[in-house]
Amino acid sequence: SQQGEEDPQALSIQEGENATMNCSYKTSINNLQWYRQNSGRGLVHLILIRSNEREKHSGRLRVTLDTSKKSSSLLITASRAADTASYFCATDAGPGKLIFGQGTTLQVKP
Amino acid sequence: AAGVIQSPRHLIKEKRETATLKCYPIPRHDTVYWYQQGPGQDPQFLISFYEKMQSDKGSIPDRFSAQQFSDYHSELNMSSLELGDSALYFCASSSSGPLTNTGELFFGEGSRLTVL
Repeated sequence: SQQGEEDPQALSIQEGENATMNCSYKTSINNLQWYRQNSGRGLVHLILIRSNEREKHSGRLRVTLDTSKKSSSLLITASRAADTASYFCATDAGPGKLIFGQGTTLQVKP
Repeated sequence: AAGVIQSPRHLIKEKRETATLKCYPIPRHDTVYWYQQGPGQDPQFLISFYEKMQSDKGSIPDRFSAQQFSDYHSELNMSSLELGDSALYFCASSSSGPLTNTGELFFGEGSRLTVL
């Protein structure tokens, strides 16, 4: 990956449990975004956190950003089977360029 | 609400043939991005356009070219196709423009290219 690693690469949990995915990046950023992708489909934007923010919430999603460690985490609380998808973090490498991490494949078992 | 439209959705080509993918951004979006995603891989940035001018360039092979037209739609032209070009090609659009940080991208459903 051009930007970094996501951890874990795959995650399998039961419905109702929380899922945490981590992302590391290499360069300085202006913002970091998380996207979701169902198999073979387009990516859908979930949340954007700016470099001067440390935490952000959106519904069942909580994102943290640690610029000193160049890392971010995405927490999905009370997971549902419909949350099964791949999740990617992405960082802006300048205007007109968004670089994606390798993604975490989440499976939520009903 | 209108979304990003990509065509064709599926395309099968032989090695050394050419292919053209089209992208129609969300109305009033002025920036278009192209990404390539191989099986099990993350999306790789190819190229972006703002107001019909190339904005930034990523890992786009020399065999590929792209442009944005006056109606803001974009086309990705791929020549001398290789087996390794088989992938999902995504177009995305935004209203960020070149002078601001890259904000939320809106993706199309992708064009799946298979090279035999």
